[in-house]
Amino acid sequence: EAGVAQSPRYKIIEKRQSVAFWCNPISGHATLYWYQQILGQGPKLLIQFQNNGVVDDSQLPKDRFSAERLKGVDSTLKIQPAKLEDSAVYLCASSLSRDSTYGYTFGSGTRLTVV
Amino acid sequence: KQEVTQIPAALSVPEGENLVLNCSFTDSAIYNLQWFRQDPGKGLTSLLLIQSSQREQTSGRLNASLDKSSGRSTLYIAASQPGDSATYLCAVRDSNYQLIWGAGTKLIIKP
Repeated sequence: EAGVAQSPRYKIIEKRQSVAFWCNPISGHATLYWYQQILGQGPKLLIQFQNNGVVDDSQLPKDRFSAERLKGVDSTLKIQPAKLEDSAVYLCASSLSRDSTYGYTFGSGTRLTVV
Repeated sequence: KQEVTQIPAALSVPEGENLVLNCSFTDSAIYNLQWFRQDPGKGLTSLLLIQSSQREQTSGRLNASLDKSSGRSTLYIAASQPGDSATYLCAVRDSNYQLIWGAGTKLIIKP
């Protein structure tokens, strides 16, 4: 099966600019996750979707971050305006369902550098 | 609150050695535990998934064990190779279905 697709792979922007990331999960996976991973740390969950509904966005900085999954398939994560501390790898993952005992599959990530 | 710890934070060994990476968690009520590999600046590759009812899983030179009662998992790598150099992360799926992560062990295999 095809894996989780993410684009772009790399992005460099200036602070206060906006940026968007795209993710296409594995076909049939109802649950989609966006993680932020700062260098040297484990991933931090930003938002979790079940189909096209938000299950958990408690750690999403809603004043600057937004995400949507309109048709319950692919998803976009946006940052506006970006800050220096947003420099990180943004990872998208999917799983069959929220309560599935199957594991997560991750995409290759988008490496964001804010200068 | 579930917490996951990985020790050591970094490990450097000569090529060919067998090695063990450790992962501990504070709450034994888990659904599963997953080991991932991450190359610098890249995404995460799943290595092994152990369900809560299982004791171990094997894939090639990798073997992962799970002891829920003691809150521990180990990842055993046999006959290490320079290509095994990466950061290894463990993640526990807790009773709320959330994935709780360790900070990882950075492994360097010296030729």
